[in-house]
Amino acid sequence: GDSVTQMEGPVTLSEEAFLTINCTYTATGYPSLFWYVQYPGEGLQLLLKATKADDKGSNKGFEATYRKETTSFHLEKGSVQVSDSAVYFCALSLIQGAQKLVFGQGTRLTINP
Amino acid sequence: DGGITQSPKYLFRKEGQNVTLSCEQNLNHDAMYWYRQDPGQGLRLIYYSQIVNDFQKGDIAEGYSVSREKKESFPLTVTSAQKNPTAFYLCASSMRRQGFNQPQHFGDGTRLSIL
Repeated sequence: GDSVTQMEGPVTLSEEAFLTINCTYTATGYPSLFWYVQYPGEGLQLLLKATKADDKGSNKGFEATYRKETTSFHLEKGSVQVSDSAVYFCALSLIQGAQKLVFGQGTRLTINP
Repeated sequence: DGGITQSPKYLFRKEGQNVTLSCEQNLNHDAMYWYRQDPGQGLRLIYYSQIVNDFQKGDIAEGYSVSREKKESFPLTVTSAQKNPTAFYLCASSMRRQGFNQPQHFGDGTRLSIL
């Protein structure tokens, strides 16, 4: 079945460090890929998305490139801030008449000043 | 501002009780979804609805029920048949556009606990 695997957390970094959160997927078709962020006690917010191979999604300094050859969608940011502390979810969606998101287990990120 | 409103934010249930979680959206979205989130895990789909008066089971529908009588509303009932209901419940909505995967917009969630 379709699935998403994220690097296990928690991840702890210092402010201004470089961030990578790995995400790989398994899907029978050609999925769209998403990164969502969840701040404490809140719902999920869409961070970025990519709908086809080689697309790069970007937002708020975060980037992720849809790599079909490695079935990956790694999240990166060049210089993290304390305010980036949150849980990050990678997800895929297949066009099957109904949009059903399949989520990874989430990666908790903590940025220390 | 348009968005999704979930209520209440915290809910407590006694053993053997049914409880209903509210989800309302003013985004004019056709599709709505309910997810369950457990600590350290991703989200799992409970039910979803693409149009009014129609809904489908997700991956973990047992012990839950829904209705979709209005476009704006998609309440979730956690029945006494759900043996482990303690979790964080998230409602989401999205546009339906043929051939495209529209991102889902989420509410702030309801945390359900058993007394």
